[in-house]
Amino acid sequence: DVKVTQSSRYLVKRTGEKVFLECVQDMDHENMFWYRQDPGLGLRLIYFSYDVKMKEKGDIPEGYSVSREKKERFSLILESASTNQTSMYLCASSLEGQGVADTQYFGPGTRLTVL
Amino acid sequence: QQQVKQSPQSLIVQKGGISIINCAYENTAFDYFPWYQQFPGKGPALLIAIRPDVSEKKEGRFTISFNKSAKQFSLHIMDSQPGDSATYFCAATKTGSARQLTFGSGTQLTVLP
Repeated sequence: DVKVTQSSRYLVKRTGEKVFLECVQDMDHENMFWYRQDPGLGLRLIYFSYDVKMKEKGDIPEGYSVSREKKERFSLILESASTNQTSMYLCASSLEGQGVADTQYFGPGTRLTVL
Repeated sequence: QQQVKQSPQSLIVQKGGISIINCAYENTAFDYFPWYQQFPGKGPALLIAIRPDVSEKKEGRFTISFNKSAKQFSLHIMDSQPGDSATYFCAATKTGSARQLTFGSGTQLTVLP
């Protein structure tokens, strides 16, 4: 079974702090994604990566950055946390298909609260 | 710009009833439409998916109906069970840009015993 793990289930930080959220997948997937989930807004893509050191902006990249130094690990960084970044953060991974839409496998999420 | 609109936001059905969740999309280039199911405390997981070359796909009690001309698709859960209580997300993507899914806003389903 594909396993996607996230470093923390719950995190509380203060405004202005630098926050690191880490995600690890064990299935050698090329693609990795960071979403935030808010009630009534569904899942919104922040960033995704299709290879080591490669990244592309999603729909809401402002205030976030990412790092992918190894294939299995994808980090989301909040350079200066703000209260409007309080949310559930979900990591996902997928296999790069040959023009096929592949299943995304999600981690359990990190609920981040910024005070 | 929300490219996939999902309704209702919440749904309560009795055990044994039929749950119906609807989605509409705008981008005619979309050609893959999955549904994800999320239980509390868990990440979403793929439930069922359809391509527009068929109008219906059934897996057990779960059926996707697809109307290409109306740009709409829906999830039907037959004989709904309390264990089906979860949040359901429809999504859409285009083959070739398969790295990205556009998700609907989600439907919180509660099945009463």
